[in-house]
Amino acid sequence: SYVLTQPPSVSVAPGQTASITCGGSNFGVKRIHWYQQKPGRAPVIVVSHDNGRPSGIPDRFSGSTSGNTATLTISGVEAGDEADYFCQVWDSSSDQPYVFGTGTTVTVL
Amino acid sequence: EVALVESGGGLVQPGGSLRLSCAVSGLGFSGQWMHWVRQAPGKGLMWISRINGDGRSTSYADSVKGRFIISRDNAKNLLYLQMNSLRVEDTATYFCAIEWLQSFHYWGQGSQVTVSP
Repeated sequence: SYVLTQPPSVSVAPGQTASITCGGSNFGVKRIHWYQQKPGRAPVIVVSHDNGRPSGIPDRFSGSTSGNTATLTISGVEAGDEADYFCQVWDSSSDQPYVFGTGTTVTVL
Repeated sequence: EVALVESGGGLVQPGGSLRLSCAVSGLGFSGQWMHWVRQAPGKGLMWISRINGDGRSTSYADSVKGRFIISRDNAKNLLYLQMNSLRVEDTATYFCAIEWLQSFHYWGQGSQVTVSP
C-alpha cells in the first residue's frame, strides 16, 4: 500500500519558520493536502491541492512540492500553531486510495 | 455554515456491534461524497470508508471490509457506519468527513468507540 512518511516532530521558536516534510512516490501525478489537528479536535484542512489555501486559513500556511517530497511551511509561527499536521494524497492505483501521512507534531518553543 | 455531528459511539465488547450516525447540515448533502476516518488513541488518521452521493458506490479499507457497512439517507441528511464483529483494535475516534476533489474539507467533531472485554 502507498506510504507517506513525515518526521515525528518539529520544534520552532515563535516568529520563525516551520517546515514539515512529507515523502512519497509519484508526486508528479498526485495532489497533496495538509491538515492541522489540535488535541481533542477534528482535523482542519490548511492547504489543499499542493498549495491552495481554504477560506479562513492565514497566508502564513503554504505548500510546495519538489520531486517526491512535499513541504508545508508555516511562516511567522505563533503559539496557536502548535498541533499535529498530516499530509494526505489520493492514490488512484489503490483500492484504498485515501492515504494519510504518519503525522508531525509541531512544538512552539 | 456547514456542520457535521456524529453520534452513536460508546463502549462495546469484542464481537459486538455499533452504528454511528453523522448528521450533516449547511450544504446539499445528496451531492457529497462522504467518508469515515478513524484515529486510534495517540495514533494518526486512517481512512476507512467512502460512499458516493446516491449511495450506490462504496469502498472500504481492508481492515474493516466485510465487517463495516457505510450507508446514507439523503432524505434525512444522515450518514451511517454500521460496525459489526468489533475488535479491540477498532478502538478509536471516528470522524465523518465531506470530500472535495479527493481531500477532506469538512469534518465532524468525532465519536469515541471503545472495544473492550
